[in-house]
Amino acid sequence: AQSVAQPEDQVNVAEGNPLTVKCTYSVSGNPYLFWYVQYPNRGLQFLLKYITGDNLVKGSYGFEAEFNKSQTSFHLKKPSALVSDSALYFCAVRAPHGNNRLAFGKGNQVVVIP
Amino acid sequence: DAGVIQSPRHEVTEMGQEVTLRCKPISGHNSLFWYRQTMMRGLELLIYFNNNVPIDDSGMPEDRFSAKMPNASFSTLKIQPSEPRDSAVYFCASRPPNSGAGSPLHFGNGTRLTVT
Repeated sequence: AQSVAQPEDQVNVAEGNPLTVKCTYSVSGNPYLFWYVQYPNRGLQFLLKYITGDNLVKGSYGFEAEFNKSQTSFHLKKPSALVSDSALYFCAVRAPHGNNRLAFGKGNQVVVIP
Repeated sequence: DAGVIQSPRHEVTEMGQEVTLRCKPISGHNSLFWYRQTMMRGLELLIYFNNNVPIDDSGMPEDRFSAKMPNASFSTLKIQPSEPRDSAVYFCASRPPNSGAGSPLHFGNGTRLTVT
């Protein structure tokens, strides 16, 4: 079954500095990879996805992520963090065939310090 | 578009009581998912429907949990009887038809359930 690991519980970064949230995955076949963001008392919001093609994908709010097949990683990045980026970030993976399950990581709390 | 609508936003109940959570998916979406979020276990898929039919309910924790989708615009998740360990935030999500496995989910704002 597919799974995702987000190794850090919390990521602290100063405003204006680069932000990276790490994600590694395990799946049979070529993965469908997603990043979602959750603000307090809200549902998850889709940020970006990788299905095929260019390994660097761009998404909402200036975020991007790089698919690395050899390292089975899909790290989320933003060149210059904003205080408003403080939220919970989830990585998710789905296998291209078989069941329709989307496996989520445990989430990373990002704190951007003014 | 109003998005996925869940009600109530908060529910506090006593152990042993029946709890019913409600979800209205985005109009036109034909896949609906129920998730549970806790600090300990993160996000867990409980069940999902396609065209109102339950496809995978292997995540439903116990027989105390049941879910229905009587029509394309409404679904319920029921817990009977409720227990304190059911306390969590329950999310509903939907997806449009023919969207493929690469299509993202649209989440509601969740129902925070507290069972005392």
